[in-house]
Parts: sequence; C-alpha cells; structure tokens
Amino acid sequence: AQTVTQSQPEMSVQEAETVTLSCTYDTSESDYYLFWYKQPPSRQMILVIRQEAYKQQNATENRFSVNFQKAAKSFSLKISDSQLGDAAMYFCAYRRGSGNTPLVFGKGTRLSVIA
Amino acid sequence: GAVVSQHPSRVICKSGTSVKIECRSLDFQATTMFWYRQFPKQSLMLMATSNEGSKATYEQGVEKDKFLINHASLTLSTLTVTSAHPEDSSFYICSARDRVRGMNTEAFFGQGTRLTVV
Repeated sequence: AQTVTQSQPEMSVQEAETVTLSCTYDTSESDYYLFWYKQPPSRQMILVIRQEAYKQQNATENRFSVNFQKAAKSFSLKISDSQLGDAAMYFCAYRRGSGNTPLVFGKGTRLSVIA
Repeated sequence: GAVVSQHPSRVICKSGTSVKIECRSLDFQATTMFWYRQFPKQSLMLMATSNEGSKATYEQGVEKDKFLINHASLTLSTLTVTSAHPEDSSFYICSARDRVRGMNTEAFFGQGTRLTVV
C-alpha cells in the first residue's frame, strides 16, 4: 500500500521569508502523481501544486515550488516570500496514475506565518 | 474552474437519526466521487469510492450499512449516515474528477460538512 509521510507537524516562518515543508512517500508504482494541498481554517481543500512522476522538471506555481527527488521518494514544498495568507494546514498527497484512483494524504503540516 | 458543491456545510442531529450529505459537480460530469472523513487536527481518510450507477466501494473498517452511498447520476453522490452516534461526529469531504477531461486532472473538493451528533 502507498503511504505518505509528513514529518513536520508544525512549522513557522517569518513573513517574506522562505519555508520548506517535507514529504516522503512509499510506492512500488512507476506512474503516479504527487500533490500539495492547502487547507485554511475554512477547511476547503485548495490545490497548491502537482507533479507528474514521469516529469523530471520540478513543478512551480508562482511562489510555490517543489523539489521532487524520485529516487529518494521525496517531494518537498518550498514557499517563497511567505505571506500571512499562506498560514494553513498543508497536506502532501499521492495518487496512483492508472485509473480513477483516490488520493492518499499525509498527516499534514500546520504552517504559521509570523508578521 | 470546476466546482464541487457539498451540502449542508454544517449539521447537528440527534443520536439515532439519519443525515444525508449531498455532493454535486456543478459544471462537469464525475463518473467517480470519493468520500473522505477528517477528524479534528488529523488527515483525510478515504471512506469510500462512489461509482455512478453501481455500488460504492468501501475502505476496510468502514461500515457500508452505516454510511450509505448513492451515486444516481453523473453529477450527484450522496452519503447518508444512518442511526448516527456521537462518535460519527466528524468533518466529511467529497471530491470528484472531471470525466471528460480525464484521469490526469486534479480532483476538486467540496466545501465539506461538519456533522455533530448530540
């Protein structure tokens, strides 16, 4: 079974600084997708960024970027120029590529942004 | 972007009663919807996979007679918590993927339902 591990229950960052959230996963599949989701206090799940396993290039979305290390099965999220609105729970998630498969989530990292 | 609408957002019910939660894809068709449960300060755990026109697939440990799932159309799936008890109090979230755009797209999530059983 696939598992996703987030080893940092809580993180904090100063406004305008950079923070990196860690995620590792375990799978025997070769075709899969990785995601970072943000869950603010409203509890609405918001997609931050996604990475296809077959792509070597790291995904970026504005201030958000990932460091995808396939061999190490590591998928960290870097948030640059942190803003107060970035404060939320962040979940790393995995999805097997074949078929309409569900997401497997890590336990989450609560990010606080200090003004 | 695609929208998944989930209702109600909050519900309080008495122990022993049943509660129905709706999950609608507003501007796309979803052959499959997923139901997750989230306990306070915890992650999302998959409960079941809802397939249009067929029986839902439940994860191990999830009682199918307690959590009834119906997926009668390509845009609507419902989760009914039957004979609710206080331990069923939780946050329930649905998600769906766009059938037309294909399996490579991301899943869209509903707003979630906070169920409190008193």
